[in-house]
Amino acid sequence: AQKITQTQPGMFVQEKEAVTLDCTYDTSDPSYGLFWYKQPSSGEMIFLIYQGSYDQQNATEGRYSLNFQKARKSANLVISASQLGDSAMYFCAMREATPNTGTASKLTFGTGTRLQVTL
Amino acid sequence: DGGITQSPKYLFRKEGQNVTLSCEQNLNHDAMYWYRQDPGQGLRLIYYSQIVNDFQKGDIAEGYSVSREKKESFPLTVTSAQKNPTAFYLCASGVWGGSEQFFGPGTRLTVL
Repeated sequence: AQKITQTQPGMFVQEKEAVTLDCTYDTSDPSYGLFWYKQPSSGEMIFLIYQGSYDQQNATEGRYSLNFQKARKSANLVISASQLGDSAMYFCAMREATPNTGTASKLTFGTGTRLQVTL
Repeated sequence: DGGITQSPKYLFRKEGQNVTLSCEQNLNHDAMYWYRQDPGQGLRLIYYSQIVNDFQKGDIAEGYSVSREKKESFPLTVTSAQKNPTAFYLCASGVWGGSEQFFGPGTRLTVL
């Protein structure tokens, strides 16, 4: 079963507008972390934002915020005031506890959303 | 500057040949990871290492091998047993149990 689901293969947004990229996850582990990464056409993965399952407040990092709805198991990324440089692939990922160590570090990725920012 | 380096950026090999991808980090991280990315897909974990001289299989380890003789280095060998090796390979490092993984620039492997 898919652990991370990103249902939007592609999204368009006009420059200066806000956009929400969807991510839902599936886990029975009470302790987990959720990540968003940006992948430009050059290929490197750029860390954007992190939300822990026990964090009380939604994470924010500059123009990025994470809309964390634990009961719905969703962790949507909101990009405010989009810029042309935001055009890229965006991946949602989840970290769960590894069975043998009990500590969390392995990441499971979704299939990504390609965001195109237009003038 | 601190970071992760992968070399080469592009690699071409003939079918049936083993090939080794380099990954080096100077971030003093204990944990290192190898991921594979195919077109239109997310990353899948090949191998990971929590500490020197120790490594574990990820979700798609068949046809790959790794070593971790030094903290800074985690080379990946794509063997001839890997049925479809053409892909983009990303190395990452982090603090084990930490909240972030840092990625290298990736190596694009094409098997002819």
